[in-house]
Amino acid sequence: ILNVEQSPQSLHVQEGDSTNFTCSFPSSNFYALHWYRWETAKSPEALFVMTLNGDEKKKGRISATLNTKEGYSYLYIKGSQPEDSATYLCAFIAPPSNTGKLIFGQGTTLQVKP
Amino acid sequence: GAGVSQTPSNKVTEKGKYVELRCDPISGHTALYWYRQSLGQGPEFLIYFQGTGAADDSGLPNDRFFAVRPEGSVSTLKIQRTERGDSAVYLCASSLDAGNTIYFGEGSWLTVV
Repeated sequence: ILNVEQSPQSLHVQEGDSTNFTCSFPSSNFYALHWYRWETAKSPEALFVMTLNGDEKKKGRISATLNTKEGYSYLYIKGSQPEDSATYLCAFIAPPSNTGKLIFGQGTTLQVKP
Repeated sequence: GAGVSQTPSNKVTEKGKYVELRCDPISGHTALYWYRQSLGQGPEFLIYFQGTGAADDSGLPNDRFFAVRPEGSVSTLKIQRTERGDSAVYLCASSLDAGNTIYFGEGSWLTVV
C-alpha cells in the first residue's frame, strides 16, 4: 500500500514567522511529487511539481525541496502572511505513472495570525 | 470555462437517496479524475477517465458509486442509496493528458443526513 504522510497535521504561527512542513513518501518507483495549496471555499491550487532528486523550487516566499532517495520533501514559507493560511497537500504519482493518479497526504493546515 | 466547474457546490440529501454530481473540465483536457475528501483526511482517488473510457476505477468504494463521461468532456459521478459515510467533499480534476499539471475544481460538498 502506498502511503504519503505529512507533518505536522496543523500549525499556528504569527505573521512574519517562517515555517516548514514535511511530506514523506515511498522512495521506490518514484515518478513525481506535487504540492498543492487549498484555501477554504476555493479549489486546490498547484504550487510545485517536483521530479528530480535534489530539486529545489521557489514561488515567491514559498519554496520546496525534494529527496527521492530517502523519500521526503520539505515546504518552506518565509515571512508567513495571513493570506498563506490554507491546507497544504502533497501528493505522490502512483505507478503506473502514465495515469497521473495522485496519492495524497492528509495535509498540513496552516493558520497565520496577524 | 476558464477552470474546472463542479455542480452543485453543496448538496444535502437524506440517507437512501440518489445523488448526481457534475464536473465540467477545462476545454480540451482528455484526462479527468474524481477524488473524495472526508473530514481529517487527504483527497482519495476514486476514478480516472482518459477520453470517454474509465481507465482506472479502482478507487470506487463499492457498487453504489458509478461515473460516466459519455462524450469525453462533462462527467457525472452517481451515488445510489446514499449513506451517512458518503458525506465528503467530492473533487473533480482535469489535465491536458495524464502526466500533465492537474487542475482541480472547487468541489461538491455532500452531506447525507
